[in-house]
Amino acid sequence: AQRVTQPEKLLSVFKGAPVELKCNYSYSGSPELFWYVQYSRQRLQLLLRHISRESIKGFTADLNKGETSFHLKKPFAQEEDSAMYYCALTETSGSRLTFGEGTQLTVNP
Amino acid sequence: DAGVTQSPTHLIKTRGQQVTLRCSPKSGHDTVSWYQQALGQGPQFIFQYYEEEERQRGNFPDRFSGHQFPNYSSELNVNALLLGDSALYLCASSPLLRGGGRDTQYFGPGTRLTVL
Repeated sequence: AQRVTQPEKLLSVFKGAPVELKCNYSYSGSPELFWYVQYSRQRLQLLLRHISRESIKGFTADLNKGETSFHLKKPFAQEEDSAMYYCALTETSGSRLTFGEGTQLTVNP
Repeated sequence: DAGVTQSPTHLIKTRGQQVTLRCSPKSGHDTVSWYQQALGQGPQFIFQYYEEEERQRGNFPDRFSGHQFPNYSSELNVNALLLGDSALYLCASSPLLRGGGRDTQYFGPGTRLTVL
């Protein structure tokens, strides 16, 4: 069965500090991994996907198949990064998404 | 393009009633997926429709049913509502890729259902 675990429900950092949001998954095949973000009063939106290998808004995430992890990182957090972040996986692009429970990131001034 | 739209925004029902939620996909998208998001949890997959048929289903009872219309819009129906059905219901759409398969899902704003 597919499962995504985000161990931290809440994460608080100061502006300019590095931030890492953890995501671990369990899946027997080769999943596609995503990070979605939900800013206050906005809809859930895609932040990045592992196959794109992009850096979006300064965030990066590397898929570690050995540790079955897909942690989201940013070297210098900004106040506008405060949001709810969800890690998700799918077995096939466009297929059902399995989400973690989310991490609420707060960046303090 | 307004993106994925959902109606209504909010809905209040009582136990035992039935409810219909609606979703219009993003322009150019033919696939619609529905998710239930309970308070404090991540979205849970309900089902996915394309070509007017249910293609995948999550672990939800038969009280949850859906439909997709020829214009790709979709409805989610829930019968015999329970208190535990109170949640945010999200619709997501994705496009068919040229080589087959589907691309990333884009989410609507959701419908907040409260069951009293």
